[in-house]
Amino acid sequence: DTGVSQNPRHKITKRGQNVTFRCDPISEHNRLYWYRQTLGQGPEFLTYFQNEAQLEKSRLLSDRFSAERPKGSFSTLEIQRTEQGDSAMYLCASSLERQDQPQHFGDGTRLSIL
Amino acid sequence: AQKVTQAQTEISVVEKEDVTLDCVYETRDTTYYLFWYKQPPSGELVFLIRRNSFDEQNEISGRYSWNFQKSTSSFNFTITASQVVDSAVYFCALYLNQAGTALIFGKGTTLSVSS
Repeated sequence: DTGVSQNPRHKITKRGQNVTFRCDPISEHNRLYWYRQTLGQGPEFLTYFQNEAQLEKSRLLSDRFSAERPKGSFSTLEIQRTEQGDSAMYLCASSLERQDQPQHFGDGTRLSIL
Repeated sequence: AQKVTQAQTEISVVEKEDVTLDCVYETRDTTYYLFWYKQPPSGELVFLIRRNSFDEQNEISGRYSWNFQKSTSSFNFTITASQVVDSAVYFCALYLNQAGTALIFGKGTTLSVSS
């Protein structure tokens, strides 16, 4: 049983560059979440998909951020024109559709902006 | 407003000591779920337990136990006979019974267990 897979594990880039992260959820999970975690804080919600539909976005998700989940399988999170404040761990989670089902998290992608 | 408070930022214990991690939540919803996750140094959040708002039974799983009290809006986590491998950041989280609502996490408690 493979868990949630994220890549890359680490990304270092210069300010102003675009970056894209990928998340492969657990295969039977139709819900997929993106969170951001900064040092000393708990994860904060960014956006959520049910199958291929993006149903909810946090106000943290500025217009420089975009997420997709084509065909309801893997998901990508792109950040355009990166800023210093984007440095964080980006976590992906997936779950079954039932409300009480736990979200299972990947190892995250750590983004460092130079 | 929905909120989760983990007042203990860091706890240090010696192996075999018992330790309790506190979690206090706020919500006006009557139906909700509470979770505990463990985040070891490797970074992956590991699911530990889920509780729904209608089930106040305490739960024990090996060295772990959880005490849910709606009267005080608390969902505390106790590790009995702690071990070095328990060293991690522990997060309490709240999930509301609205379609698609994400987990609301506390800031976490860093537990350090020394030998």
